[in-house]
Amino acid sequence: SQQGEEDPQALSIQEGENATMNCSYKTSINNLQWYRQNSGRGLVHLILIRSNEREKHSGRLRVTLDTSKKSSSLLITASRAADTASYFCATDADTGGFKTIFGAGTRLFVKA
Amino acid sequence: GAGVSQSPRYKVAKRGQDVALRCDPISGHVSLFWYQQALGQGPEFLTYFQNEAQLDKSGLPSDRFFAERPEGSVSTLKIQRTQQEDSAVYLCASSLGGGETQYFGPGTRLLVL
Repeated sequence: SQQGEEDPQALSIQEGENATMNCSYKTSINNLQWYRQNSGRGLVHLILIRSNEREKHSGRLRVTLDTSKKSSSLLITASRAADTASYFCATDADTGGFKTIFGAGTRLFVKA
Repeated sequence: GAGVSQSPRYKVAKRGQDVALRCDPISGHVSLFWYQQALGQGPEFLTYFQNEAQLDKSGLPSDRFFAERPEGSVSTLKIQRTQQEDSAVYLCASSLGGGETQYFGPGTRLLVL
């Protein structure tokens, strides 16, 4: 079963608005990553945040990590139609293994 | 350099046929991952290689699935006696090491009829 759970499953907003997606996971982790996937394409890495970090920025993206709540959020500011995609969080469990667990994703639709 | 490449991009197989999917990772990347992605779902981990060593194959759904990376570079995922439930996109990713950013290939879309 997949460890990460994204919330909401789908999100529709107007261009220029902010989009917030949340991810929860179950076990201790080494790091958490966010990926974007356009329809029919491969995954594109957005941000990696390590377990000892609380917040990270990259352009219009802001990621937070709360290890006490086992949750992360991805904020996209000033969204554009080109941001329309599915967004996934992925975790590397702190179990000594090598498995990366993805959630089911949030489908974001940005209306022009 | 070039990104991760996968071939073929599309494969149609008849039920019971064997298929082989190829992944060319980014040169110098030690770690290589295979994932299976069903329609509308997130990728599901299949197996992990560190160089030529397969260190984790806990995600392989059955013994019909076999992966190898004999020289620590190109990897092949083989599915024997394909079933309809094997229809999915198979993604390959590579990274400099475990726990580092994974770079994904475009995937192979497998359809089993």
